[in-house]
Amino acid sequence: GQQVMQIPQYQHVQEGEDFTTYCNSSTTLSNIQWYKQRPGGHPVFLIQLVKSGEVKKQKRLTFQFGEAKKNSSLHITATQTTDVGTYFCAGPMDSSYKLIFGSGTRLLVRP
Amino acid sequence: EAGVVQSPRYKIIEKKQPVAFWCNPISGHNTLYWYRQNLGQGPELLIRYENEEAVDDSQLPKDRFSAERLKGVDSTLKIQPAELGDSAVYLCASSSHKTQETQYFGPGTRLLVL
Repeated sequence: GQQVMQIPQYQHVQEGEDFTTYCNSSTTLSNIQWYKQRPGGHPVFLIQLVKSGEVKKQKRLTFQFGEAKKNSSLHITATQTTDVGTYFCAGPMDSSYKLIFGSGTRLLVRP
Repeated sequence: EAGVVQSPRYKIIEKKQPVAFWCNPISGHNTLYWYRQNLGQGPELLIRYENEEAVDDSQLPKDRFSAERLKGVDSTLKIQPAELGDSAVYLCASSSHKTQETQYFGPGTRLLVL
């Protein structure tokens, strides 16, 4: 069945270093969404990308959607301790509403 | 605007006991989702409601799980009887359209089955 994979599973960085997580789908996606989940919290929507090759920025966060609409990345510039959490990508299954979540990348930031 | 509300936040039960979770979605959101999140994994959809109709329950273990959304607003998810493997966080989410709109998650119910 359709799968959404994320790497790396964990990333431990020094505050100020950059961070990137990658998301790959086994099938072409109509859109991709990114969520952040703080430790002990719940997923919070960050952004949705729809167009092939789309790039969106939110302050220090840069999101990209691949040309083939099968992969995506999230890059954080100069990480801060407030960036700690697990970042999930999610894509709709086939042409439906149903979101398939990746397994997430857990980011730890050393102060 | 109030977010998605869930209760209880935590629940500890012994195996074979029943348990129920409650969710109140964001006002005006006609789509409601129940997810299960195991430790270290992403959320997995259990059931989706459009108003009061369950339009996708293919991932719901129907032998022990049941859900309802009377009047198309609040929803309850029940497990009876609970098994050790049901220990997880049960998340409720809502969205305002049928398509892949942003899903707003509640704080979840952390279930521990002993």
